Formats: sequence, C-alpha cells, structure tokens
Amino acid sequence: EAQVTQNPRYLITVTGKKLTVTCSQNMNHEYMSWYRQDPGLGLRQIYYSMNVEVTDKGDVPEGYKVSRKEKRNFPLILESPSPNQTSLYFCASSFKGQGFYEQYFGPGTRLTVT
Amino acid sequence: AQKITQTQPGMFVQEKEAVTLDCTYDTSDQSYGLFWYKQPSSGEMIFLIYQGSYDEQNATEGRYSLNFQKARKSANLVISASQLGDSAMYFCAMRGTLSGGYNKLIFGAGTRLAVHP
Repeated sequence: EAQVTQNPRYLITVTGKKLTVTCSQNMNHEYMSWYRQDPGLGLRQIYYSMNVEVTDKGDVPEGYKVSRKEKRNFPLILESPSPNQTSLYFCASSFKGQGFYEQYFGPGTRLTVT
Repeated sequence: AQKITQTQPGMFVQEKEAVTLDCTYDTSDQSYGLFWYKQPSSGEMIFLIYQGSYDEQNATEGRYSLNFQKARKSANLVISASQLGDSAMYFCAMRGTLSGGYNKLIFGAGTRLAVHP
C-alpha cells in the first residue's frame, strides 16, 4: 500500500530537549516536504527536499533541521524545541514536476512543547 | 506573492443540501494548480479535487465539484447532497513555484464545515 508514515504520532516534550520526527514513504517519490499546521494559518511549509542530499528552506524554517540521506526518509529535527513549536506536523511526498502530481500526506504528528 | 484566501472560518449546512466553500487565490504564474483537501477530526489530510489553470472544464469528483473562475481568481468547492461525514475542516491550496519543480503547496486558513441532520 502506497503510504507516508510518520513517527511518533503524538509527542509531549519539554523545552530544549532535542527530538526527531521520522517520515518515510514507499512510493519512490523524489519530492518530500514538512508542513506545520496552526489554527487560523493553515499549513505552512518548513523544509522541502527535491532529492537525496538536496534540501532547502520553506516559509517557516527557523528552529528546524532536516536531512535526506535516503530517498525514502526525510526526518525533521528540533534541536532545542520551544513552546512556539507546539503544532501539528505533516510530512508529504510526491513525484517532481510541473504537472498534476498528488501530494501524499502522512497521518500527522501532534507535538506539544511545555 | 502567492496567496490563498478562505474568508469563511466556519459554515454549516443541512444534511442533503449543497454547500459552497469559497477560495480566492493570487498568483502571477500562468501555470498553476488548485487543490482542495478535507481534514476530518482525526487529523489526516484527504485529497478531494484538483484543477489545473489550463483546464477548460471545471473539475468534478463524485459529489465534489470545483467552480473555477479564472478571471476572478476563484476556485470554490461545491459539495452536493451533504452528508454528516462531510463535517470537517476544508483547505484550499495552490501549487506554488519552486526552482526545479512545482510541488510546494500554499494553503488557505481553512473553513470548518458542520453538517446538521
């Protein structure tokens, strides 16, 4: 089954404690990205990757890191989480190109930073 | 700058009636795509419908149709014969521009739809 998986689904942590949210897709997609969802703001892109070892900042990259060492995986790293990073996070993947390529979303990770 | 505006924070509709969720967009690109996603209370993002800027006909998918008015830069979602299971948050999104590919999605703030029996 074609899917994007994220782990953990729920996480409560404390300020400053490094964490990683994993994302994996089984569709051989070149393109992967991370979004955060906040009330009244919709989803905003944090980082994206066009292929292995190719990553770039999205609209709200501050406080986040990513890496793309393998095509299927795109982890999101919060080196020193702060309460303003409390949010719902989505990983997404798709084929790359100008045409209609559906973005497949993971189930979301609800993060609370106290 | 590319932007999506959804002016209705919340809507309600009676079961079996039709409802229109508004979406306007701003872009200087000639080629772009417009999407609608549904987010139920469980949180996942469900793709509903897509409209390409060069598509001459409005997109339809079952009970969903997209009322695309290019000159007005609007892409409203019409849900016919509403069902209780349609109660959810709905997001309009536009495929934005990235060098080397065009898969960034720019989202609106969303509209929460409640279907009443």
